[in-house]
Amino acid sequence: AQSVTQPDIHITVSEGASLELRCNYSYGATPYLFWYVQSPGQGLQLLLKYFSGDTLVQGIKGFEAEFKRSQSSFNLRKPSVHWSDAAEYFCAVGAASGTYKYIFGTGTRLKVLA
Amino acid sequence: DAEITQSPRHKITETGRQVTLACHQTWNHNNMFWYRQDLGHGLRLIHYSYGVQDTNKGEVSDGYSVSRSNTEDLPLTLESAASSQTSVYFCASSEQKTVTDTQYFGPGTRLTVL
Repeated sequence: AQSVTQPDIHITVSEGASLELRCNYSYGATPYLFWYVQSPGQGLQLLLKYFSGDTLVQGIKGFEAEFKRSQSSFNLRKPSVHWSDAAEYFCAVGAASGTYKYIFGTGTRLKVLA
Repeated sequence: DAEITQSPRHKITETGRQVTLACHQTWNHNNMFWYRQDLGHGLRLIHYSYGVQDTNKGEVSDGYSVSRSNTEDLPLTLESAASSQTSVYFCASSEQKTVTDTQYFGPGTRLTVL
């Protein structure tokens, strides 16, 4: 069965530090992968997505993610975190067979220290 | 600018009552989705629609219903609210009927069932 795992429920980093949020997926074929961000009181906003091609994907707000098929991972990174990045981050895989839908991970809540 | 709105933003109701959550989008998207977000579960799909008069069950559809009478709206009804349905509900829409298309999310409705 398709699944997405985000092993870190909470992460705290200092402003200006680098960030990596982990995402592992289980999917039988080439996955369609997404990262969404949810700011407090807001809906989800797409940061970036991967379908094929270059395994390093650039997104909005200075984020990037790297697809590693051998590790079934799609980790999100940012070289220097800003206080406004404090939010909850969701990884999702698109289920290409049958119904069109996303399977979301449980989310990682990021706290940024001034 | 096009947008997707949800109302009410907060709702408190009692067990057994019927509740309807509204979702309205001005993107003119054919596809609309309802998710619930619970701690430890991420987002789970309740119902979705690929167009007017089309509705489909998601993975957690029991106790919920939707109807699609026009392109812009997909109201979600809880026929007889239960405490287990206390959650944050998100509506989303997308243009293309493909897993690669971006879903745009509303701000969410926080529902409490007492």
